[in-house]
Amino acid sequence: DAEITQSPRHKITETGRQVTLACHQTWNHNNMFWYRQDLGHGLRLIHYSYGVQDTNKGEVSDGYSVSRSNTEDLPLTLESAASSQTSVYFCASSESRSLAAQQYFGPGTRLTVT
Amino acid sequence: ILNVEQSPQSLHVQEGDSTNFTCSFPSSNFYALHWYRWETAKSPEALFVMTLNGDEKKKGRISATLNTKEGYSYLYIKGSQPEDSATYLCAPNHQGAQKLVFGQGTRLTINP
Repeated sequence: DAEITQSPRHKITETGRQVTLACHQTWNHNNMFWYRQDLGHGLRLIHYSYGVQDTNKGEVSDGYSVSRSNTEDLPLTLESAASSQTSVYFCASSESRSLAAQQYFGPGTRLTVT
Repeated sequence: ILNVEQSPQSLHVQEGDSTNFTCSFPSSNFYALHWYRWETAKSPEALFVMTLNGDEKKKGRISATLNTKEGYSYLYIKGSQPEDSATYLCAPNHQGAQKLVFGQGTRLTINP
């Protein structure tokens, strides 16, 4: 069955370190998204991609970067981790760019920056 | 940034009771509204996508209505069960936005 996976599921890192969170989907979806979830804020969009070599900034992109070298993967990199980036990170994908397209979410990565 | 409000923020309901909650959003340039169900320690799961004013969708005991002219959607749960305990998120899309904007969610707890 097609799915979307994230790794690692839990990560503890130190302030200033570079961290990369992996997202892999097997639906062959062109559209992929990264969100962070914090108490009182719901899900906020970090970056998104509509296809290979395409990346776009979301609502809270500062301190994060993504790259899209193939259809299946959209890794999220924290260039220099900060305590404010302690959060739960969700990756999602959708089949089309239609605003009515359902998004499928991964299981999440809980990141703690100490 | 689109202003999406969900109310109430949290809700405790007795098992067997019915309940409903609200998602409010700007009515201008509306395109679609998504409802997601999010259980603790799991990933958000899509419930409905609605686009037309007056739309009503149903999935088992859960249903939703949409009023695009006044900018709100209601989610109803009939005969609540413990497995309905979750956070319910709405995410409206507006033309030109190219992405979902999620509300903060309504956290529903069903008391046995």
